[in-house]
Amino acid sequence: DIQMTQSPSSLSASVGDRVTITCRASQSVSSYLNWYQQKPGNAPKLLIYTASSLQSGVPSRFSGSGSGTDFTLTISSLQLEDFATYYCQQSYSTPYTFGQGTKLEIK
Amino acid sequence: EVQVVESGGGLVQPGGSLRLSCAASGFTFSDYWMSWVRQAPGKGLQWVANIKQGGSEKYYVDSVKGRFAISRDNAKNSLYLQMNSLRAEDTAIYYCARGGALTGYYAYWGQGTLVTVSS
Repeated sequence: DIQMTQSPSSLSASVGDRVTITCRASQSVSSYLNWYQQKPGNAPKLLIYTASSLQSGVPSRFSGSGSGTDFTLTISSLQLEDFATYYCQQSYSTPYTFGQGTKLEIK
Repeated sequence: EVQVVESGGGLVQPGGSLRLSCAASGFTFSDYWMSWVRQAPGKGLQWVANIKQGGSEKYYVDSVKGRFAISRDNAKNSLYLQMNSLRAEDTAIYYCARGGALTGYYAYWGQGTLVTVSS
């Protein structure tokens, strides 16, 4: 199975900050890497698919990059509604594993 | 509007069985891979299983192989997860998620159904 490791596991930031979350795969997943946002009590929400494609309706302050084993999710200017937990997921081979999550908290 | 709605969760004793259902609407169900993803209380997401459009291909995470069975009924626009020999570590919210026609990312999720395995 492909292991997905996110860093950091938690992060404190302020409104307006630029934030980057990284995701590393234990082997190449090409560009089959997706990012989700989850708020307490809600289902995950797709933000970015295939490493860098912005899901319809997601604000342009979210962006993704990377290929192979190293990927990043960047939020260019944090808004209050962005404080949540973020997960990466590889869809290169089953089982489609998720990272352990990065909790983004208000500083 | 695309919707997937899970049902069938509840409290079950260790070693027991439960069948989850997912009712889909707002899209051509038979065109898409479908999956189950779970989340233990206070923990991260874990992919459980997926099934191809016609049901000919099914994949599982190792921890549920031989105990869980994913299936679908395209005539009823429904996805199922039969869970047998349940363990305490299967306690989680189970989400139904729509995959792509050819891709493995999930743009549509249900609200989840809680399965609690406890004596």
